[in-house]
Amino acid sequence: TQLLEQSPQFLSIQEGENLTVYCNSSSVFSSLQWYRQEPGEGPVLLVTVVTGGEVKKLKRLTFQFGDARKDSSLHITAAQPGDTGLYLCAGEGAGGTSYGKLTFGQGTILTVHP
Amino acid sequence: GAGVSQSPSNKVTEKGKDVELRCDPISGHTALYWYRQSLGQGLEFLIYFQGNSAPDKSGLPSDRFSAERTGGSVSTLTIQRTQQEDSAVYLCASSPTRDRRTQYFGPGTRLLVL
Repeated sequence: TQLLEQSPQFLSIQEGENLTVYCNSSSVFSSLQWYRQEPGEGPVLLVTVVTGGEVKKLKRLTFQFGDARKDSSLHITAAQPGDTGLYLCAGEGAGGTSYGKLTFGQGTILTVHP
Repeated sequence: GAGVSQSPSNKVTEKGKDVELRCDPISGHTALYWYRQSLGQGLEFLIYFQGNSAPDKSGLPSDRFSAERTGGSVSTLTIQRTQQEDSAVYLCASSPTRDRRTQYFGPGTRLLVL
């Protein structure tokens, strides 16, 4: 069974601060995704990283996939209240039968105070 | 275009009753997934459909849970003899065949078993 450990579980910061969320596993994933979910809605895909060591940027968000494809991080620069939400990492298992099947981390609830 | 829709959005039922949850995927998406999310937590995979077939049912927690898909479109998740521990948000996602790792989620059905 593949597990993804996501940390921290809760993060409460002031507007303008930086933060990093981590996603770690002992398993190798063929890809790693980050989602953001708002109350009453389904998760929305932010990014997919596929190659070990890959770094992707989305405005103030920077996503990194570990060299061994076992871990990932999400860094937010100068957080804003609009960044508040539940952030989820999800890994796609290596191997053809796992294609498309995602294992999710427990999530990080981020609150950015004005 | 229309996204993934789910109905009902909320369902309150009494312990021991059966419930049916419906998912309408994005038109043309051949892959369909059901997930369960406990309060503020990550998502737990339940079942995967490719067309009308379910090659992966490994996440269904007990034989009280079943799902079907007809016409390669609408899917129904049925929970028989509901228990209080079944209370959760049930999310459906669909994806195109050529990119099954990119999943589009519906808003979910919030199930409360009293």
